[in-house]
Amino acid sequence: SQQGEEDPQALSIQEGENATMNCSYKTSINNLQWYRQNSGRGLVHLILIRSNEREKHSGRLRVTLDTSKKSSSLLITASRAADTASYFCATDERGSTLGRLYFGRGTQLTVWP
Amino acid sequence: NAGVTQTPKFQVLKTGQSMTLQCAQDMNHNSMYWYRQDPGMGLRLIYYSASEGTTDKGEVPNGYNVSRLNKREFSLRLESAAPSQTSVYFCASRNGLAGAYEQYFGPGTRLTVT
Repeated sequence: SQQGEEDPQALSIQEGENATMNCSYKTSINNLQWYRQNSGRGLVHLILIRSNEREKHSGRLRVTLDTSKKSSSLLITASRAADTASYFCATDERGSTLGRLYFGRGTQLTVWP
Repeated sequence: NAGVTQTPKFQVLKTGQSMTLQCAQDMNHNSMYWYRQDPGMGLRLIYYSASEGTTDKGEVPNGYNVSRLNKREFSLRLESAAPSQTSVYFCASRNGLAGAYEQYFGPGTRLTVT
């Protein structure tokens, strides 16, 4: 399976702390994306990092990509209770123009006030 | 813009019944996708349509059919529902142009098959 794998499956932290989630994948990719899902809702795109990039920032989000290890990490700094959600990584297979994404099983993040 | 809309939001079916899940997007996107989400399994692709007039199978197509009715609409049909098809179904769309890779998701349809 080309599906990514997030680690940890669940993460529980206090407001103000940083949250780090990891993703590993198996194939060569065009890009890797992170999505967020609030309980009972659809997924929302957070950030995309291309295969030739090593790090990317967006607000309180920092994503790294190590293509030699086929892994990525998502760091949320100064977390808030509103960040409580599931976070998924998704990979876009190299050479594909069809836009198929392969999703991991997700990390459930809980941020306590 | 409403983005991606799905109907219905909830549905309960008996085994063997059929139904069609509707999806529409108003972003003029070329590509559309149907996923199912089960606890602990992440999202799995059922079918996708890279452009109007084309459809292709994803990872878990058995028991489903799709129709790309026009550029806006992509429907998913269950011909004879089974309890294993109890899941949350998400429709998504993507621009399809080079450099535009993110997918936009609808709110989901929660389906229970008894």
